[in-house]
Amino acid sequence: KQEVTQIPAALSVPEGENLVLNCSFTDSAIYNLQWFRQDPGKGLTSLLLIQSSQREQTSGRLNASLDKSSGRSTLYIAASQPGDSATYLCAVRRDNYGQNFVFGPGTRLSVLP
Amino acid sequence: DTGVSQDPRHKITKRGQNVTFRCDPISEHNRLYWYRQTLGQGPEFLTYFQNEAQLEKSRLLSDRFSAERPKGSFSTLEIQRTEQGDSAMYLCASSFGSGSSYEQYFGPGTRLTVT
Repeated sequence: KQEVTQIPAALSVPEGENLVLNCSFTDSAIYNLQWFRQDPGKGLTSLLLIQSSQREQTSGRLNASLDKSSGRSTLYIAASQPGDSATYLCAVRRDNYGQNFVFGPGTRLSVLP
Repeated sequence: DTGVSQDPRHKITKRGQNVTFRCDPISEHNRLYWYRQTLGQGPEFLTYFQNEAQLEKSRLLSDRFSAERPKGSFSTLEIQRTEQGDSAMYLCASSFGSGSSYEQYFGPGTRLTVT
C-alpha cells in the first residue's frame, strides 16, 4: 500500500527566504507526482506535475524535483512571500487508469512579513 | 469561469439526514474524482468515474454513500443517514484522460458538518 509522508509538518520562515518542502513515498512504481497548494478552508490548486520519467519541473519561483528510485520529491520555493502562506500537499498516482491519487498530510507554511 | 464547481459550498445537517452534493467538472473532462478531507489530513480518494462509468470505489465509501454521473458530465455524491464522522470537506476533481498528464483540477469543495 502506497504511503506518502511530508516533512516538516509545519514551517515558519521570514519573507525572502528560500525553502524546501519534502515528500516521501513508499512505493516507487508511480505514474506521476503532483504538488498542490491549499488555502485554509479552500480546495486545491495544482502547482506542478512531474511525470515518472521526469526529474524536475519549474514554474516561476517554484521548482519540484523527483527521485523515483529513492521515493522522494522536493518542492523548492525561492524568495518566499507572505502570499505563499498555505498548506502544500504532494500526491502520487499509481498508474495511468486515473484513479487512486494518494496524498501526503501536507506541510503548513507561514511566511512572515 | 471554466473551473470545477461544487454546490453547495457548505452544508450543515443533523445526524440521520440525507445530503447530496453536486460537482460540475471542467467541460470535456472525461474523468471525475471524489475525495474526502478531514482536518489536518490530505484528501482521501473515494471514487472515480470515466465518463458515466464508476470504475473504482474506495473502501471508505460505505453503503451509505452513493455517487452517480448519469450523462458523463456533472456528478452527485449522496450520503444517507449521515453520522458525525461524515463531517469533512468533500472535494471533486476532474481530468482529461488522454495525453500524458492526466492532471487533476480540483473544485473548491463542499464542507459538511453533521450535528
